[in-house]
Amino acid sequence: EADIYQTPRYLVIGTGKKITLECSQTMGHDKMYWYQQDPGMELHLIHYSYGVNSTEKGDLSSESTVSRIRTEHFPLTLESARPSHTSQYLCASSAGPRDLWDNSPLHFGNGTRLTVT
Amino acid sequence: EDQVTQSPEALRLQEGESSSLNCSYTVSGLRGLFWYRQDPGKGPEFLFTLYSAGEEKEKERLKATLTKKESFLHITAPKPEDSATYLCAVQIFGNEKLTFGTGTRLTIIP
Repeated sequence: EADIYQTPRYLVIGTGKKITLECSQTMGHDKMYWYQQDPGMELHLIHYSYGVNSTEKGDLSSESTVSRIRTEHFPLTLESARPSHTSQYLCASSAGPRDLWDNSPLHFGNGTRLTVT
Repeated sequence: EDQVTQSPEALRLQEGESSSLNCSYTVSGLRGLFWYRQDPGKGPEFLFTLYSAGEEKEKERLKATLTKKESFLHITAPKPEDSATYLCAVQIFGNEKLTFGTGTRLTIIP
């Protein structure tokens, strides 16, 4: 049963539009993540958060931005979508203390498949 | 640079035909190695975490093992519902961020 929800599941949008991908979790996890996944390729971390008011960029350069105003909510925004942003975006969360490295497994949502025309 | 390589890229098995998936890694200071299962159109689902060489974990028809250079995901007498992409990821000490492999797409034919 999914405890982490992403909307929309599919989005087709024109170049230059502003979009926000929504992610919410009901598990009370402090840590949340955004990954990008293209077919046949590995998952790449684009943003993460250790808790409210904490956001960091991941390993993959991204023109997107994120915010973390509430524990349960971690939206991703693209100010001006381009065809190169076409991809699947996966949101995840993990348990564990906010400011400590730990190896709690990730819980993933079912993703948003974004197509920019 | 940390690297994770999964093989084969794709594997087709008859129902009941046991086999193994491989995840080889080149990292300094392995903190944990994770296996996930991903069904089409869904996010990855956590299966196992392995921490040290020699460790094994089992769940139904799956068994994961770990050596100092690689991990194997053994699947015994698979069923069609085991069809999925299996992802491996590693985490090193001092860096929580996971490095994922590209996955093995497993198809079990009835």
